[in-house]
Parts: sequence; C-alpha cells; structure tokens
Amino acid sequence: IQLTQSPSSLSASVGDRVTISCRASQGVSDYLAWYQQKPGKVPKLLIYSASSLHSGVPSRFSASGSGTDFTFTISSLQPEDVATYYCQDYSNAPFTFGPGTTVDIK
Amino acid sequence: DVELVESGGGLVQPGGSLRLSCVASGFIFSRYSMNWIRQAPGKGLEWVAHISGPSTITYYSESLKGRFTVSRDNAKNSLYLQMNTLTVDDTAVYYCARDGGGHVPFDYWGLGTQVAVSA
Repeated sequence: IQLTQSPSSLSASVGDRVTISCRASQGVSDYLAWYQQKPGKVPKLLIYSASSLHSGVPSRFSASGSGTDFTFTISSLQPEDVATYYCQDYSNAPFTFGPGTTVDIK
Repeated sequence: DVELVESGGGLVQPGGSLRLSCVASGFIFSRYSMNWIRQAPGKGLEWVAHISGPSTITYYSESLKGRFTVSRDNAKNSLYLQMNTLTVDDTAVYYCARDGGGHVPFDYWGLGTQVAVSA
C-alpha cells in the first residue's frame, strides 16, 4: 500500500486552519495514524484509528476519514506546530509512512 | 514512565555489519510488539522491522532484501537489530518504537541512534 500526502509543504499564519490530505492506494479501514515531528526531534503520535486523539495531544488537532481518503486538521495553527506531519498505514505490514507534509508559519 | 534508549550506532564501512540495541523501561516489555524505524538525513520516516512480544512474528521492509534481523530478549527488556552488508543507503537515524497494541500504533519512540555508512 502506498500513501500520498498533499500538500508536500504549506505556510500559514498563526490562527489559521490547516488541512492535510493522506490518500492510500488501497483501503486501510481506519488503521491510519498521524505523527508530528518537530525539527531535530523524535516523531510523536498524535492521532490513531484515523480520528482518535492520542493522550495529551491538544484538541486543536483532529482527523477524519476511512478506507483510502483521510484528512488531518489543525484548527488554529500555533507557532509550536511548526513540524513535519506524517500519516501511517498500520493495517498490515509493511507499516508504511507517507512522505510527510511540512508546516511552517507565514 | 516509558523510556526507550537506543545504542550501537556509529561509522561503518560499506559491506560491514552493526548491531543496534534498544533498552526499554517503564512498561512490561514482553507484552508489547516493537518496531525499528529509520530516517535518512533530510528524508522521511521509513519503517524497517517489527517483532511481536514473544518473538513469534517478525516482519521486515522488503527494501532490506534480507540483510537485517530483528530480535529481542525479554529477560533483558532489550530489542536488537542486526544489520549486515551495509550500504551508504542505510545511513540514517534508527529509532525503536513501541507498538501500543490494539488499535494504537507507535506510541513511544526512543531518541534514536545514528548509523553512518561510509568508506
């Protein structure tokens, strides 16, 4: 299964709503996760089961989708959200990551 | 608190071998599947290998072509990655990550260990 993400990068203002798309080449049911990797840091799980917020993750992060089309949203972009965001299919091995979307502040 | 600490990285010549380790603490290690993920310089995340809690199931990225072997010692709370016939394309930071179980994927990650393959 291949994952594509769009856009590959985006620049938005603080407070903006940001949306990232992840598309799978085959259905993955809801076995889709989203990770955040800040520059120079370790990836961090944000969302699992396509739409469930991981413990301790701020509520401005959300996601939706099922099957092949998924969306990740930051409702109000904050300076600390500058990072690369990856989707991941964990339905079956190989547990493929998408190519990433880099988000920065305009 | 859950902690994962990788070690064993370093500089190795093409064709060489390296064994990475990941020591876990803060949870019952034997109950969780574990994974290795790598990230080449300036690139994205690449899943490498998976091993179940009792070591009965292992999965590998097809791109490795059988050069890597994942193993674990639950008595030592340790995960390993034996890497053979290394090439420059294996240069990356290697992370170990816990599989959260059920519907939860990689919920805890180590800080990573750097592997550089160069002549």
